[in-house]
Amino acid sequence: GAVVSQHPSWVICKSGTSVKIECRSLDFQATTMFWYRQFPKQSLMLMATSNEGSKATYEQGVEKDKFLINHASLTLSTLTVTSAHPEDSSFYICSAKPPGLAGLTDTQYFGPGTRLTVL
Amino acid sequence: AQTVTQSQPEMSVQEAETVTLSCTYDTSENNYYLFWYKQPPSRQMILVIRQEAYKQQNATENRFSVNFQKAAKSFSLKISDSQLGDTAMYFCAFISSNDYKLSFGAGTTVTVRA
Repeated sequence: GAVVSQHPSWVICKSGTSVKIECRSLDFQATTMFWYRQFPKQSLMLMATSNEGSKATYEQGVEKDKFLINHASLTLSTLTVTSAHPEDSSFYICSAKPPGLAGLTDTQYFGPGTRLTVL
Repeated sequence: AQTVTQSQPEMSVQEAETVTLSCTYDTSENNYYLFWYKQPPSRQMILVIRQEAYKQQNATENRFSVNFQKAAKSFSLKISDSQLGDTAMYFCAFISSNDYKLSFGAGTTVTVRA
């Protein structure tokens, strides 16, 4: 159980275009999902917390107008990188926290990540 | 704010041997959770082991065990009988019961040699 998927796994886009990344919890409902960014050989940096039915909470320094997050259902959160530029190229990872599982409400389960390359 | 420190950027271990990864953290919270996650070359983050701060007993998952020293704010991971599939980057992570945001250490790259 506690499987999280991401789509696409890999995307290349031209500078100035927008890219949408989907994060789905496959076997549980997730009221809260998280989006991270990771550069090669570095740690994960939390970008934002996505809450079902409400606005996302962004970490300091993350541009909310560039990284649009929508959590429209209990199993799906999307991250849209708007007007992408080469410096947005990175590995984006989502995670989800199952609610109500005994002893596991604190544990986040991660998607496989999406590699974004902006040309 | 919580900080998590992993002071070993890289470690190498012979297959079947034991390796210990260090992790220290800084917090003023009393209720929190600690994790070790593994990120192999596929880059999929995999939960290795989890420890609740209120439990004194060290968590164990097969070949993986932790040494949790709450007073010292230390949370080391021991990998016993290392296998080639253990080659990965290992992240120590902290979460408080207040906001459920994970704070990660910088990571330790573990290479298991045949």
